[in-house]
Amino acid sequence: DAKTTQPTSMDCAEGRAANLPCNHSTISGNEYVYWYRQIHSQGPQYIIHGLKNNETNEMASLIITEDRKSSTLILPHATLRDTAVYYCIVRVAASNTGKLIFGQGTTLQVKP
Amino acid sequence: GAGVSQTPSNKVTEKGKYVELRCDPISGHTALYWYRQSLGQGPEFLIYFQGTGAADDSGLPNDRFFAVRPEGSVSTLKIQRTERGDSAVYLCASSPDRARDTQYFGPGTRLTVL
Repeated sequence: DAKTTQPTSMDCAEGRAANLPCNHSTISGNEYVYWYRQIHSQGPQYIIHGLKNNETNEMASLIITEDRKSSTLILPHATLRDTAVYYCIVRVAASNTGKLIFGQGTTLQVKP
Repeated sequence: GAGVSQTPSNKVTEKGKYVELRCDPISGHTALYWYRQSLGQGPEFLIYFQGTGAADDSGLPNDRFFAVRPEGSVSTLKIQRTERGDSAVYLCASSPDRARDTQYFGPGTRLTVL
């Protein structure tokens, strides 16, 4: 079973920041938080990941709370092309398998 | 550079038939994964290869499913005696050289069993 909970769906206005929350209250000290997204009819696309510190790359920012029990993915200026299902996944850092366990994700609809 | 490619993009078959789905990982990636995604669900792990060997096949649903990666590059997922419940999108992902590296996904093969 997925170790994360996310809202089923969210809307965001084009050009505004999209803030996608994720709860992972049972996360262990050696587990990373990963975010992927899946645009309709495509394979999942890696966005960002982090352990403790906040992270930023060209696609998004990841804010992890100090207790690591929740995180927020921020798309700073959402566009229509950001409409997708966003998956928050926790993953053991030094796993023998590295398999990703996907939940239902959050369907983000960016509206003009 | 080239990403993960999967062929065919679509496969329609009849119940009871045998199918093979192919995955070409990113060049040089030693780790390869297969996932299955049913309509409206997140992807579900099937099997993980490190090099030529299957390091974790715990997600294969039953013995009708088998996968190989004989030369440590291309992988083939084989499904025998297909059933209607096997209809799904089959996704392949690869990562550079360790189980903890970021995975990069292909576009998937949509399998329809009539």
